[in-house]
Amino acid sequence: NAGVMQNPRHLVRRRGQEARLRCSPMKGHSHVYWYRQLPEEGLKFMVYLQKENIIDESGMPKERFSAEFPKEGPSILRIQQVVRGDSAAYFCASSSRTGINQPQHFGDGTRLSIL
Amino acid sequence: AQSVTQPDIHITVSEGASLELRCNYSYGATPYLFWYVQSPGQGLQLLLKYFSGDTLVQGIKGFEAEFKRSQSSFNLRKPSVHWSDAAEYFCAVAPSGVTGGGNKLTFGTGTQLKVEL
Repeated sequence: NAGVMQNPRHLVRRRGQEARLRCSPMKGHSHVYWYRQLPEEGLKFMVYLQKENIIDESGMPKERFSAEFPKEGPSILRIQQVVRGDSAAYFCASSSRTGINQPQHFGDGTRLSIL
Repeated sequence: AQSVTQPDIHITVSEGASLELRCNYSYGATPYLFWYVQSPGQGLQLLLKYFSGDTLVQGIKGFEAEFKRSQSSFNLRKPSVHWSDAAEYFCAVAPSGVTGGGNKLTFGTGTQLKVEL
């Protein structure tokens, strides 16, 4: 499968634990976007990264959330001390370059449930 | 700030009937416009996109959309719906012109399509 790979598909955490969501972009893609989809809502932009750089994190909550895209390996979205309100589907998308002619390809998402 | 409105939360159509899903946007200029489809438990698949030029754009799976600047709309249409089209449909916009880098998408809240056999 040459598409965007996200894992795990489902993640259950208790309040106060940490959640780590992984995203491997499509082969040849160096731009990664993270979106969050709350129940009954559309996707909301969180952060845009290129290799080793955070370009735009205007949609990230100010606390507990962080993202990285290292030179090697997948992009990681990390949520510390999770709370019930973090329950959502988290989607990753990738593109090959900046530019609107480079559409974003989405993964199947990680469904995060907080007990 | 840009925003997208999809006024219909749920739509039910009979198989073989025509379909139109509404999308209105708010943006200072003409944005880039997209329609995505999401099947249950899956990610989003791009149906079509509008950047410039011809205001009627063709997409995959027999879908088309028409950009109407005067109405700030980008409605999705299909002449004859198939049962496999049942899914959730999202309209999205991105700012025209690359400013700081990247083209983050702003999504509407989605329209859930049900197809009756």
